[in-house]
Amino acid sequence: DAGVTQSPTHLIKTRGQQVTLRCSPISGHKSVSWYQQVLGQGPQFIFQYYEKEERGRGNFPDRFSARQFPNYSSELNVNALLLGDSALYLCASSRGGLGIDEQYFGPGTRLTVT
Amino acid sequence: EDQVTQSPEALRLQEGESSSLNCSYTVSGLRGLFWYRQDPGKGPEFLFTLYSAGEEKEKERLKATLTKKESFLHITAPKPEDSATYLCAVRVTGANSKLTFGKGITLSVRP
Repeated sequence: DAGVTQSPTHLIKTRGQQVTLRCSPISGHKSVSWYQQVLGQGPQFIFQYYEKEERGRGNFPDRFSARQFPNYSSELNVNALLLGDSALYLCASSRGGLGIDEQYFGPGTRLTVT
Repeated sequence: EDQVTQSPEALRLQEGESSSLNCSYTVSGLRGLFWYRQDPGKGPEFLFTLYSAGEEKEKERLKATLTKKESFLHITAPKPEDSATYLCAVRVTGANSKLTFGKGITLSVRP
């Protein structure tokens, strides 16, 4: 079975631009979570979506938004990019939305803001 | 505030030299403790979930244990391919699927 897939793999953007990152969960998984990982740190929680509804939000500004589609895939959108948004963005999927299942991560999207 | 602290930050071992990685946590109510392995430039790979104090899980050369304040990842007779960053994360009660991660421990195993 295919694991979590993310696109694009790498992305270079300029300050002030907007970016959209995409994630497809493992088949049968209905929950998607997004994390930001800067170099030398552990991943930080941004959002969780389950059945197209937001179930959790981390301490990130309103420039960050996300949505989940009927096929359970998800997009993370970041507006007005700052240099500090440069990071590895990780998507994780789990079977349910109650927080009792393991999360499986994708390979990530490396975003560089110049 | 929920906190996860991993130590040491980095560990260098000789092939075959067993050791342990520590993850201490301070949380309001633990719903699960997770160990992941992460290779450079890749996403974390799931290893173990532990739910209650006293629980242990094993996979090949790795064994994870849990107490009320910390977890250990024991590595027995490591090989160079075990070199990676090992991440510990907690999920707390009422926090849906959010995982709170430590900074990770970078393990290097020399042949």
